[in-house]
Amino acid sequence: GAVVSQHPSRVICKSGTSVKIECRSLDFQATTMFWYRQFPKKSLMLMATSNEGSKATYEQGVEKDKFLINHASLTLSTLTVTSAHPEDSSFYICSATAVSSYEQYFGPGTRLTVT
Amino acid sequence: GEDVEQSLFLSVREGDSSVINCTYTDSSSTYLYWYKQEPGAGLQLLTYIFSNMDMKQDQRLTVLLNKKDKHLSLRIADTQTGDSAIYFCAETVGNKLIFGAGTRLAVHP
Repeated sequence: GAVVSQHPSRVICKSGTSVKIECRSLDFQATTMFWYRQFPKKSLMLMATSNEGSKATYEQGVEKDKFLINHASLTLSTLTVTSAHPEDSSFYICSATAVSSYEQYFGPGTRLTVT
Repeated sequence: GEDVEQSLFLSVREGDSSVINCTYTDSSSTYLYWYKQEPGAGLQLLTYIFSNMDMKQDQRLTVLLNKKDKHLSLRIADTQTGDSAIYFCAETVGNKLIFGAGTRLAVHP
């Protein structure tokens, strides 16, 4: 149980385009989903926290207009990187928590490369 | 402030024990976690310890918590080549996880 999937696993896009990454909880309802960014050989940096049906809470320094987060249902959150630039290339990981739980279940990550 | 620190690299011989150390800052953290990340993959929860515990053992894994010193360690007994990965400790701050930079464990014959 407690499986989180991400799609796509790997994406290459051109500068200036937008790309959407999906995060799904497959066998539980996720009241809260988290989006992280991981730079090479670095730790995970929390970008934002999203609760179903409400606006995401962004961490300091993360541009909310650039990284659009939508948590439309209890099993799906999306991260859209708008007007992508090469410096947005990174490994993006989502996680989800179930109702009345603090334990986070992580997705397998999405490797974004912007050319 | 929120800052979790780990040593960056550990090399051990196959069959030996590995000990990965971590210090954290938030004394109100309810749970402390250890995650494993293999190349190009997401995070796999290895184990966690509740803040009122000193030790937790789970098969080859032993977690020790020194709450006074805010020090957490993960011991892997009989380390195997399949244990080669990056290990992250994480503390809870509210409903957020704050991660250390990760310790890369290399297991050699």
